[in-house]
Amino acid sequence: AQSVTQLGSHVSVSEGALVLLRCNYSSSVPPYLFWYVQYPNQGLQLLLKYTSAATLVKGINGFEAEFKKSETSFHLTKPSAHMSDAAEYFCAVSDASGGSYIPTFGRGTSLIVHP
Amino acid sequence: DVKVTQSSRYLVKRTGEKVFLECVQDMDHENMFWYRQDPGLGLRLIYFSYDVKMKEKGDIPEGYSVSREKKERFSLILESASTNQTSMYLCASTPSRSGPGYTFGSGTRLTVV
Repeated sequence: AQSVTQLGSHVSVSEGALVLLRCNYSSSVPPYLFWYVQYPNQGLQLLLKYTSAATLVKGINGFEAEFKKSETSFHLTKPSAHMSDAAEYFCAVSDASGGSYIPTFGRGTSLIVHP
Repeated sequence: DVKVTQSSRYLVKRTGEKVFLECVQDMDHENMFWYRQDPGLGLRLIYFSYDVKMKEKGDIPEGYSVSREKKERFSLILESASTNQTSMYLCASTPSRSGPGYTFGSGTRLTVV
């Protein structure tokens, strides 16, 4: 069985500051890992994904995430926050357990960016 | 770019009504999914389909059904709407079961009164 924990339902940063959104997962087999972003009143958009290639994954809008197997983590970072980064962020894990790759989503972290 | 189109952005329906939520994707994806999204609960899978005429229950199928008569269209049906089905509904598609991630529609915010 797979599960995802996103630490912190809300994260607040100043514009220009480092963004760090935390995601820990559990999976009995090698996982695929994803980060999605949701802007207000919109659907989810794929930011980046890890599929067992490079452990440091670069995504859109300057975001990146590092897969750390020993820590079962896939934290999302961005060196300098922009006002337009304010949104809800979801981490998801997918693996072949049970014969399906249906992902499990975390509960989301709302990123607030202050001027 | 793949597009997943949900026919309505906002819907208001009365308790007991039969409600249809439509989803169409334009990139020949095999796999389609319906989720509901509620504050603090994240996304919960209602139903999914890996092929035309095929459907599988997700984690919370009660009170819902689906229809997939054509590959590009996946409909969610609320047989008798209730107030606890007030939610944001998200449709998604993906070309293969593993790897590329989902493409989501913009969502339908349904209010049942």
